[in-house]
Amino acid sequence: GAVVSQHPSWVICKSGTSVKIECRSLDFQATTMFWYRQFPKQSLMLMATSNEGSKATYEQGVEKDKFLINHASLTLSTLTVTSAHPEDSSFYICSARDSTGLHTEAFFGQGTRLTVV
Amino acid sequence: KQEVTQIPAALSVPEGENLVLNCSFTDSAIYNLQWFRQDPGKGLTSLLLIQSSQREQTSGRLNASLDKSSGRSTLYIAASQPGDSATYLCAAETYNTDKLIFGTGTRLQVFP
Repeated sequence: GAVVSQHPSWVICKSGTSVKIECRSLDFQATTMFWYRQFPKQSLMLMATSNEGSKATYEQGVEKDKFLINHASLTLSTLTVTSAHPEDSSFYICSARDSTGLHTEAFFGQGTRLTVV
Repeated sequence: KQEVTQIPAALSVPEGENLVLNCSFTDSAIYNLQWFRQDPGKGLTSLLLIQSSQREQTSGRLNASLDKSSGRSTLYIAASQPGDSATYLCAAETYNTDKLIFGTGTRLQVFP
């Protein structure tokens, strides 16, 4: 299957600093990528849809100024958690689909464990 | 608004048993339904994708069925093994959106 690479796999940062997470589709192009957040023992909650060449679409309740998304190319999307606080500590996962087909299989990155101290 | 639920929330069985995991969705207007596996602290691995026009998909010991009219999908795991221990998530993609809505997950433990 297709490969989505997410980096870093874990990060610890101080409160007030910003953290950038990268999501890359390695062997296919993705005009759309998705960012999810997962709390312990809970399911995935969609945060935003990342669109190549345009602004991201955020889900209700997600602060767009806090979670900055940039989809710079057909293979790279980044999520920046700005001015991170301990309540932002969570598991963040990205997802992508091959742009050549509609409603195709979704592939996920390995996830990033963010801990804000 | 699409809501997806999974039962049971947790399941612990001895090795060798055949298992059925359930997934229910409220909006039957879906493009597809996908089953995933998640190991602790890891990302998601896609197991099976069922298009709305299909009724089931099979891969090895896994078989997933889809009944849109009743808003249900089941994942059948044959001859379970300890290596099958993980959390299993289903996700539905609803018409007019390319978003996946995830279920609450089933945590499976298969003991030797």
